[in-house]
Amino acid sequence: GAGVSQSPSNKVTEKGKDVELRCDPISGHTALYWYRQSLGQGLEFLIYFQGNSAPDKSGLPSDRFSAERTGGSVSTLTIQRTQQEDSAVYLCASSLAFGFYEQYFGPGTRLTVT
Amino acid sequence: DAKTTQPPSMDCAEGRAANLPCNHSTISGNEYVYWYRQIHSQGPQYIIHGLKNNETNEMASLIITEDRKSSTLILPHATLRDTAVYYCIVRVEGSQGNLIFGKGTKLSVKP
Repeated sequence: GAGVSQSPSNKVTEKGKDVELRCDPISGHTALYWYRQSLGQGLEFLIYFQGNSAPDKSGLPSDRFSAERTGGSVSTLTIQRTQQEDSAVYLCASSLAFGFYEQYFGPGTRLTVT
Repeated sequence: DAKTTQPPSMDCAEGRAANLPCNHSTISGNEYVYWYRQIHSQGPQYIIHGLKNNETNEMASLIITEDRKSSTLILPHATLRDTAVYYCIVRVEGSQGNLIFGKGTKLSVKP
């Protein structure tokens, strides 16, 4: 079946612009996660959703980052006033339910801020 | 969560078994051992997980020592496509959401 999809696959933006990244999880998966991976670095957890709710936003790097999920499905990660340090691959994952660590990852969105 | 320690890199000849070790000496009784891998330019991929018994699936086998302080992921017949960074992660199932990735082991399968 269809896996996790993310769009766009690549995004180049100018410093100071806003960007929106989209994640479409596996159908029926109630939990959704956002991570990012900077060049040559490990994966950094950002935020998770249980259904449409994100109980803990403390992993978001700054208040320029926000995320939402609607209809228990698609999620968007928005970065306002992008900075060069935001350049990274943003990965989305989903799992059958919260607390299940068998997570399925999308291919990621490579964000480059110039 | 228990800390995990993995060698930074390993080589393996194509067609041979790749044995990737992981130490988790402070693991607690309700923590599972998960293995993921990340092939270059792709998202991480779930491989296998276990609590105390050895596990096997179509991708790999997981051997957990009796004291649970270490484990080994075995790829029985490594191929060039198995070249990736392999992550060993310890988590209490059902209590938290996110995976915590360390630096992993970079496995290079050579012809």
